[in-house]
Amino acid sequence: EVQLVESGGGLVNPGGSLRLSCAVSGFTSSRYSMNWVRQAPGKGLEWVSSISSDSSNINYADSAKGRFTISRDNAKNSLYLQMNSLRDEDTAVYYCARDGRLDYWGQGTLVTVSS
Amino acid sequence: DIQMTQSPSSLSASVGERVTITCQASQDIRNYLNWFQQKPGKAPKLLIYGASNLETGVPSRFSGSGSGTDFTFTISSLQPEDFATYYCHQYDNVPYTFGQGTKLEIK
Repeated sequence: EVQLVESGGGLVNPGGSLRLSCAVSGFTSSRYSMNWVRQAPGKGLEWVSSISSDSSNINYADSAKGRFTISRDNAKNSLYLQMNSLRDEDTAVYYCARDGRLDYWGQGTLVTVSS
Repeated sequence: DIQMTQSPSSLSASVGERVTITCQASQDIRNYLNWFQQKPGKAPKLLIYGASNLETGVPSRFSGSGSGTDFTFTISSLQPEDFATYYCHQYDNVPYTFGQGTKLEIK
Protein backbone atom coordinates (compact mmCIF):
# COMPACT_ATOMS: atom_id res chain seq x y z
CA GLU A 1 0.00 0.00 0.00
CA VAL A 2 1.36 3.39 -0.98
CA GLN A 3 1.71 5.71 2.00
CA LEU A 4 3.08 9.22 2.43
CA VAL A 5 3.34 10.65 5.93
CA GLU A 6 4.32 14.26 6.55
CA SER A 7 5.75 15.59 9.78
CA GLY A 8 7.52 18.65 11.11
CA GLY A 9 4.75 21.23 11.04
CA GLY A 10 3.99 23.53 13.92
CA LEU A 11 3.80 27.10 15.15
CA VAL A 12 6.70 29.36 14.22
CA ASN A 13 7.36 33.09 14.48
CA PRO A 14 7.62 35.20 11.34
CA GLY A 15 11.18 35.01 10.09
CA GLY A 16 11.66 31.58 11.60
CA SER A 17 12.45 28.23 10.03
CA LEU A 18 10.93 24.77 9.85
CA ARG A 19 11.92 21.53 8.17
CA LEU A 20 9.14 19.33 6.90
CA SER A 21 9.63 15.64 6.22
CA CYS A 22 7.65 13.16 4.17
CA ALA A 23 8.22 9.46 4.76
CA VAL A 24 7.09 7.26 1.90
CA SER A 25 6.44 3.55 1.69
CA GLY A 26 4.78 1.01 -0.56
CA PHE A 27 6.67 2.02 -3.69
CA THR A 28 10.22 2.52 -4.91
CA SER A 29 10.67 6.20 -4.19
CA SER A 30 13.77 6.48 -6.38
CA ARG A 31 11.60 5.96 -9.46
CA TYR A 32 9.34 8.96 -8.93
CA SER A 33 9.51 12.71 -8.79
CA MET A 34 8.01 14.23 -5.67
CA ASN A 35 6.23 17.45 -4.87
CA TRP A 36 5.14 19.73 -2.07
CA VAL A 37 1.72 21.35 -2.37
CA ARG A 38 0.14 23.66 0.20
CA GLN A 39 -3.31 24.90 1.07
CA ALA A 40 -3.89 28.02 3.15
CA PRO A 41 -6.90 27.89 5.48
CA GLY A 42 -10.11 28.06 3.46
CA LYS A 43 -8.19 28.53 0.20
CA GLY A 44 -7.29 26.51 -2.86
CA LEU A 45 -4.29 24.36 -3.69
CA GLU A 46 -0.87 25.84 -4.49
CA TRP A 47 2.05 23.83 -5.85
CA VAL A 48 5.23 24.76 -3.97
CA SER A 49 8.13 22.68 -5.28
CA SER A 50 9.12 19.54 -7.13
CA ILE A 51 12.21 17.35 -7.28
CA SER A 52 13.06 14.71 -9.86
CA SER A 53 13.75 11.11 -8.92
CA ASP A 54 17.53 11.61 -8.87
CA SER A 55 17.43 15.22 -7.51
CA SER A 56 18.88 16.56 -10.76
CA ASN A 57 15.87 18.74 -11.56
CA ILE A 58 14.35 21.00 -8.91
CA ASN A 59 11.67 23.62 -9.34
CA TYR A 60 9.99 26.16 -7.07
CA ALA A 61 6.97 28.40 -7.14
CA ASP A 62 7.91 32.08 -7.09
CA SER A 63 6.52 32.28 -3.55
CA ALA A 64 9.13 29.71 -2.42
CA LYS A 65 12.20 30.71 -4.42
CA GLY A 66 15.13 31.79 -2.29
CA ARG A 67 13.45 30.77 0.97
CA PHE A 68 12.52 27.08 0.61
CA THR A 69 14.76 24.16 -0.30
CA ILE A 70 13.46 20.78 -1.39
CA SER A 71 15.59 17.67 -1.03
CA ARG A 72 15.25 13.92 -0.83
CA ASP A 73 17.09 10.89 0.49
CA ASN A 74 16.09 7.86 -1.56
CA ALA A 75 17.96 5.51 0.75
CA LYS A 76 15.70 6.69 3.57
CA ASN A 77 12.58 6.93 1.38
CA SER A 78 12.17 10.49 2.52
CA LEU A 79 11.41 13.91 1.08
CA TYR A 80 12.15 17.19 2.82
CA LEU A 81 11.26 20.86 2.65
CA GLN A 82 13.48 23.31 4.48
CA MET A 83 11.55 26.55 4.95
CA ASN A 84 13.37 29.70 6.02
CA SER A 85 12.34 33.33 6.45
CA LEU A 86 8.76 32.25 7.02
CA ARG A 87 5.96 34.76 6.53
CA ASP A 88 2.37 34.95 7.73
CA GLU A 89 1.21 34.00 4.24
CA ASP A 90 3.10 30.69 4.44
CA THR A 91 0.52 29.47 6.95
CA ALA A 92 -1.01 26.40 5.35
CA VAL A 93 -1.37 22.66 5.37
CA TYR A 94 1.61 21.27 3.50
CA TYR A 95 1.17 18.05 1.54
CA CYS A 96 3.74 15.88 -0.14
CA ALA A 97 2.56 14.21 -3.33
CA ARG A 98 4.02 11.66 -5.70
CA ASP A 99 4.86 12.20 -9.36
CA GLY A 100 3.90 14.98 -11.75
CA ARG A 101 0.39 13.50 -11.74
CA LEU A 102 0.17 13.99 -7.94
CA ASP A 103 -1.36 10.53 -7.78
CA TYR A 104 -0.78 9.89 -4.08
CA TRP A 105 -0.84 12.44 -1.25
CA GLY A 106 -0.01 12.45 2.41
CA GLN A 107 -2.45 13.60 5.06
CA GLY A 108 -0.72 16.96 5.38
CA THR A 109 1.07 18.82 8.15
CA LEU A 110 -0.06 22.24 9.40
CA VAL A 111 2.40 25.11 9.44
CA THR A 112 1.28 28.20 11.33
CA VAL A 113 3.38 31.36 11.07
CA SER A 114 2.34 33.82 13.73
CA SER A 115 3.77 35.91 16.52
CA ASP B 1 2.82 30.88 -15.65
CA ILE B 2 -0.16 28.97 -16.99
CA GLN B 3 -3.45 30.22 -15.58
CA MET B 4 -6.23 27.68 -15.06
CA THR B 5 -9.72 29.19 -15.18
CA GLN B 6 -12.23 26.82 -13.63
CA SER B 7 -15.98 27.33 -13.64
CA PRO B 8 -18.32 27.48 -11.96
CA SER B 9 -16.81 28.32 -8.57
CA SER B 10 -19.82 26.76 -6.86
CA LEU B 11 -22.61 24.51 -7.95
CA SER B 12 -25.78 23.30 -6.29
CA ALA B 13 -27.21 20.01 -7.53
CA SER B 14 -29.35 17.07 -6.50
CA VAL B 15 -28.56 13.38 -6.14
CA GLY B 16 -28.91 11.73 -9.52
CA GLU B 17 -28.20 14.88 -11.52
CA ARG B 18 -25.52 15.19 -14.16
CA VAL B 19 -22.98 17.95 -13.50
CA THR B 20 -20.22 19.43 -15.59
CA ILE B 21 -17.24 21.56 -14.60
CA THR B 22 -14.97 23.26 -17.10
CA CYS B 23 -11.35 24.30 -16.96
CA GLN B 24 -9.56 26.53 -19.45
CA ALA B 25 -5.80 26.85 -19.64
CA SER B 26 -4.15 30.10 -20.69
CA GLN B 27 -1.96 28.18 -23.13
CA ASP B 28 -1.77 24.74 -24.70
CA ILE B 29 -1.15 22.05 -22.06
CA ARG B 30 -1.73 19.12 -24.44
CA ASN B 31 -3.52 16.58 -22.21
CA TYR B 32 -1.53 17.15 -19.00
CA LEU B 33 -4.63 17.85 -16.97
CA ASN B 34 -5.80 16.25 -13.73
CA TRP B 35 -9.05 16.45 -11.81
CA PHE B 36 -9.05 16.10 -8.02
CA GLN B 37 -11.77 15.73 -5.42
CA GLN B 38 -11.26 17.15 -1.95
CA LYS B 39 -13.45 16.70 1.09
CA PRO B 40 -13.12 18.89 4.21
CA GLY B 41 -10.07 18.09 6.28
CA LYS B 42 -8.79 15.54 3.77
CA ALA B 43 -6.07 15.46 1.15
CA PRO B 44 -7.09 15.80 -2.49
CA LYS B 45 -7.83 12.57 -4.32
CA LEU B 46 -6.88 12.05 -7.96
CA LEU B 47 -9.90 11.12 -10.07
CA ILE B 48 -8.84 11.79 -13.67
CA TYR B 49 -5.34 12.08 -15.14
CA GLY B 50 -4.18 12.85 -18.65
CA ALA B 51 -7.46 14.73 -19.19
CA SER B 52 -9.56 11.61 -19.72
CA ASN B 53 -8.05 8.62 -17.90
CA LEU B 54 -9.91 7.30 -14.90
CA GLU B 55 -7.65 6.61 -11.94
CA THR B 56 -7.78 3.04 -10.66
CA GLY B 57 -10.65 2.46 -8.27
CA VAL B 58 -12.56 5.61 -9.23
CA PRO B 59 -16.21 5.02 -10.16
CA SER B 60 -17.09 5.22 -13.84
CA ARG B 61 -19.66 7.97 -13.25
CA PHE B 62 -16.67 10.33 -13.26
CA SER B 63 -15.23 11.28 -16.65
CA GLY B 64 -13.03 13.89 -18.26
CA SER B 65 -12.44 15.16 -21.77
CA GLY B 66 -10.56 17.79 -23.71
CA SER B 67 -7.09 18.68 -24.86
CA GLY B 68 -5.08 21.78 -25.58
CA THR B 69 -6.75 24.55 -23.60
CA ASP B 70 -10.32 23.43 -22.95
CA PHE B 71 -11.29 20.63 -20.59
CA THR B 72 -14.47 19.23 -19.11
CA PHE B 73 -15.16 17.10 -16.04
CA THR B 74 -18.48 15.32 -15.70
CA ILE B 75 -20.26 13.35 -13.01
CA SER B 76 -22.98 11.43 -14.80
CA SER B 77 -25.25 10.77 -11.81
CA LEU B 78 -24.43 12.49 -8.53
CA GLN B 79 -24.16 10.33 -5.44
CA PRO B 80 -24.30 11.64 -1.85
CA GLU B 81 -20.56 11.02 -1.39
CA ASP B 82 -19.72 13.23 -4.40
CA PHE B 83 -20.47 16.50 -2.63
CA ALA B 84 -17.01 18.01 -2.28
CA THR B 85 -14.68 20.53 -3.89
CA TYR B 86 -13.15 19.72 -7.26
CA TYR B 87 -9.93 21.11 -8.72
CA CYS B 88 -8.33 20.94 -12.13
CA HIS B 89 -4.53 20.91 -12.29
CA GLN B 90 -2.05 21.26 -15.13
CA TYR B 91 1.23 19.40 -15.01
CA ASP B 92 2.59 20.25 -18.43
CA ASN B 93 4.80 23.12 -17.29
CA VAL B 94 6.22 24.31 -14.02
CA PRO B 95 5.01 26.05 -12.04
CA TYR B 96 2.23 23.49 -11.92
CA THR B 97 -1.03 25.34 -11.37
CA PHE B 98 -4.52 24.60 -10.13
CA GLY B 99 -7.92 25.96 -10.92
CA GLN B 100 -9.58 27.88 -8.10
CA GLY B 101 -11.91 25.02 -7.30
CA THR B 102 -15.60 24.20 -7.67
CA LYS B 103 -17.59 23.58 -4.51
CA LEU B 104 -20.36 21.12 -5.24
CA GLU B 105 -23.21 21.40 -2.76
CA ILE B 106 -26.45 19.57 -2.18
CA LYS B 107 -29.56 21.31 -3.51
